[in-house]
Amino acid sequence: GQQVMQIPQYQHVQEGEDFTTYCNSSTTLSNIQWYKQRPGGHPVFLIQLVKSGEVKKQKRLTFQFGEAKKNSSLHITATQTTDVGTYFCAGAGSYQLTFGKGTKLSVIP
Amino acid sequence: SQTIHQWPATLVQPVGSPLSLECTVEGTSNPNLYWYRQAAGRGLQLLFYSVGIGQISSEVPQNLSASRPQDRQFILSSKKLLLSDSGFYLCAWNRGGDLYEQFFGPGTRLTVL
Repeated sequence: GQQVMQIPQYQHVQEGEDFTTYCNSSTTLSNIQWYKQRPGGHPVFLIQLVKSGEVKKQKRLTFQFGEAKKNSSLHITATQTTDVGTYFCAGAGSYQLTFGKGTKLSVIP
Repeated sequence: SQTIHQWPATLVQPVGSPLSLECTVEGTSNPNLYWYRQAAGRGLQLLFYSVGIGQISSEVPQNLSASRPQDRQFILSSKKLLLSDSGFYLCAWNRGGDLYEQFFGPGTRLTVL
């Protein structure tokens, strides 16, 4: 079945530093979605990428979808303490999403 | 607007006891519904999904079952809980197909002792 690998598992950064998490799928994806889960909370949808090579930005967050539609990345510029949480990528299949294990981001003030 | 409810928020159950978690969605019709489990500090494991009333697909063999008695109601059950059933159970919905984002409920934190 489809597998989605996400690295790193953990990332500790100083406030103001950049952060990147990477996602790789064993199969070509129809689309990829990104979610953020704050500590103690539930996952919240951030964005969806559909087109090969697509790049989308949300303020300090930049999302990319690879040309082969098998990998994706999320980059945060100048992290803030409000960015703390676990970021999940999820590859879309038939009616369901396959989630990566997530990258837990800690920001040191 | 659409909302998703889950209850209870927390639950402590002894090993061997039954389980029933309920999820309801408001403000939409014929949603796809999903049950996930998240072990402490881990990723999301899809347990069941449903594309319509009475239609349940199981992703992982286990002692859990799911039912969808109404369009916007999804129930997760077990006849006898195991220690390994402890975790954070999340219900989610989307509008259908694989091109739509999923909206998650607040979750139920289950501890089996």
